[in-house]
Amino acid sequence: GAVVSQHPSRVICKSGTSVKIECRSLDFQATTMFWYRQFPKQSLMLMATSNEGSKATYEQGVEKDKFLINHASLTLSTLTVTSAHPEDSSFYICSASPRTGVEKLFFGSGTQLSVL
Amino acid sequence: EDQVTQSPEALRLQEGESSSLNCSYTVSGLRGLFWYRQDPGKGPEFLFTLYSAGEEKEKERLKATLTKKESFLHITAPKPEDSATYLCAVHPLGGGTSYGKLTFGQGTILTVHP
Repeated sequence: GAVVSQHPSRVICKSGTSVKIECRSLDFQATTMFWYRQFPKQSLMLMATSNEGSKATYEQGVEKDKFLINHASLTLSTLTVTSAHPEDSSFYICSASPRTGVEKLFFGSGTQLSVL
Repeated sequence: EDQVTQSPEALRLQEGESSSLNCSYTVSGLRGLFWYRQDPGKGPEFLFTLYSAGEEKEKERLKATLTKKESFLHITAPKPEDSATYLCAVHPLGGGTSYGKLTFGQGTILTVHP
């Protein structure tokens, strides 16, 4: 079945540094990918929609300059958390939408970000 | 605005004790309702997509049903390995920027004791 790979699975960084998270669709092309954020014992909150070859669309309240999204190819989207602070610590998850339909929307395994 | 509410927040069952999880939703138009399973520290694992009222889907001990206002995930004779958080999400009608965009409920944490 279709797989979405997310890397790294866990990252610890110092406050003020930037962290890049990768999301790859391994066996299908994804014109659209989505980035979610999840706090402990809470559900997934959509942060932004990543569109191949164009600018990302951010949800209300999400800082564009803090969370940089690049979708340079049909199989790769990256999320960069810039100048990270402890409040950015969270579980980040991507999902990919195949061209052919929404019967299944596939999720990556998630990235646990801890900012010290 | 699309809304999804799941109940109960947490459910403890004994092994073999069947039960149901509820997902109530409001959406201007429904393209699909999704059920996912999420284990701690992992991404959601796809279970089912339901598209229209009256539809049912089954997978092993799980059965999902859909009405115009809610969906149920029935768990028959659960085992400890069924312990996880179960998430419900809706996908609205319409293409463009809403395509693939899910609104999630807060989830039900299921614990099955041996």
